[in-house]
Amino acid sequence: GQNIDQPTEMTATEGAIVQINCTYQTSGFNGLFWYQQHAGEAPTFLSYNVLDGLEEKGRFSSFLSRSKGYSYLLLKELQMKDSASYLCAVIDSNYQLIWGAGTKLIIKP
Amino acid sequence: GAVVSQHPSRVICKSGTSVKIECRSLDFQATTMFWYRQFPKQSLMLMATSNEGSKATYEQGVEKDKFLINHASLTLSTLTVTSAHPEDSSFYICSARDQRRGDTGELFFGEGSRLTVL
Repeated sequence: GQNIDQPTEMTATEGAIVQINCTYQTSGFNGLFWYQQHAGEAPTFLSYNVLDGLEEKGRFSSFLSRSKGYSYLLLKELQMKDSASYLCAVIDSNYQLIWGAGTKLIIKP
Repeated sequence: GAVVSQHPSRVICKSGTSVKIECRSLDFQATTMFWYRQFPKQSLMLMATSNEGSKATYEQGVEKDKFLINHASLTLSTLTVTSAHPEDSSFYICSARDQRRGDTGELFFGEGSRLTVL
């Protein structure tokens, strides 16, 4: 079956750095997304990786290793507003989007 | 980025009534839209794929007669929850891709609709 694993919950301190990991086993691969979702709101797009390596976008970076079925989202200079759930999603060979359960990130002062 | 508008954002209804939720792509055309539901503290669950001009494709376990989907134009898809019951209470979210970006473009999400069935 298809599976995406990410930690259920993480806690970090304001101003620090946190890395949220995502591992996947899917039938084929056509890209990986990271979305941010605040409680009670719809997800918003953060990043898209289809090739191996690191994509940097401001305070957020996303890394992909296709051979390892692994990605991470790196958040720097954490702010209280970064408290949210972070969803990893993979496009499989049928161009279906497979979602992880999300990682709830708690930022403490 | 592209904008997807979803309405209503909140709806409370009595058990047995039907509720319609609209999803519009405001500045792009979408031949395909996706309907998700999300229970508290859980991830998005794809309910169905809405295809403009043809029947929706439902995921296993989703009752097509209960969750009616109509995709009458390239910018509008509607989800109707028929004879709603309290267990249908959930957060329903639609999303769409700009068809010019193909199957690997990012999904743009509507604001979501929180349905509460009394």
